[in-house]
Amino acid sequence: QKEVEQDPGPLSVPEGAIVSLNCTYSNSAFQYFMWYRQYSRKGPELLMYTYSSGNKEDGRFTAQVDKSSKYISLFIRDSQPSDSATYLCAMRGGGSEKLVFGKGTKLTVNP
Amino acid sequence: GAVVSQHPSWVICKSGTSVKIECRSLDFQATTMFWYRQFPKQSLMLMATSNEGSKATYEQGVEKDKFLINHASLTLSTLTVTSAHPEDSSFYICSARRAGANVLTFGAGSRLTVL
Repeated sequence: QKEVEQDPGPLSVPEGAIVSLNCTYSNSAFQYFMWYRQYSRKGPELLMYTYSSGNKEDGRFTAQVDKSSKYISLFIRDSQPSDSATYLCAMRGGGSEKLVFGKGTKLTVNP
Repeated sequence: GAVVSQHPSWVICKSGTSVKIECRSLDFQATTMFWYRQFPKQSLMLMATSNEGSKATYEQGVEKDKFLINHASLTLSTLTVTSAHPEDSSFYICSARRAGANVLTFGAGSRLTVL
């Protein structure tokens, strides 16, 4: 079993839709959870950062962490064509500096 | 905000030559820098972790003699791909973490094509 599982998609939605992106993980030591957005041929940029369980909201983005289920989610409200990108979940913990990434989900928001 | 600059963004070289990629933290001191490799439609694979002034720690399966990493200062790390071959063609991305921070800031990546 991989440490972090993420459905690669692709996911295609109409503009204005609510998008739900998810990752599951197996390492219970993970404490820091991140979502990065990566446009084609660019480096990832940090979208959301959450420590331990709970919700965090930033504008149209909401990140949720459920440590008991080892499941994290990213919700995008009122999705825009400019949200079209690959979304990568990442996490670390247990004293390790290494970030473990999911495979990324490619999202296309159609105008 | 934290900015990481990576250069060059794109490089083509002949097989057998060496290529150096630079990663700079522009507005903060990066105690730790990470080098990743990304193949098309794949996730980021960590190659090595470098701390300023010490030898890099390479991930299993990464040839340290082929991928030379130097973290000479708190704002600069370099990756040199030595004797490059076509199978080394990939997207190389660096990231940097400032002391006490939990998140990484990534560079824009460098696309290497070896002919």
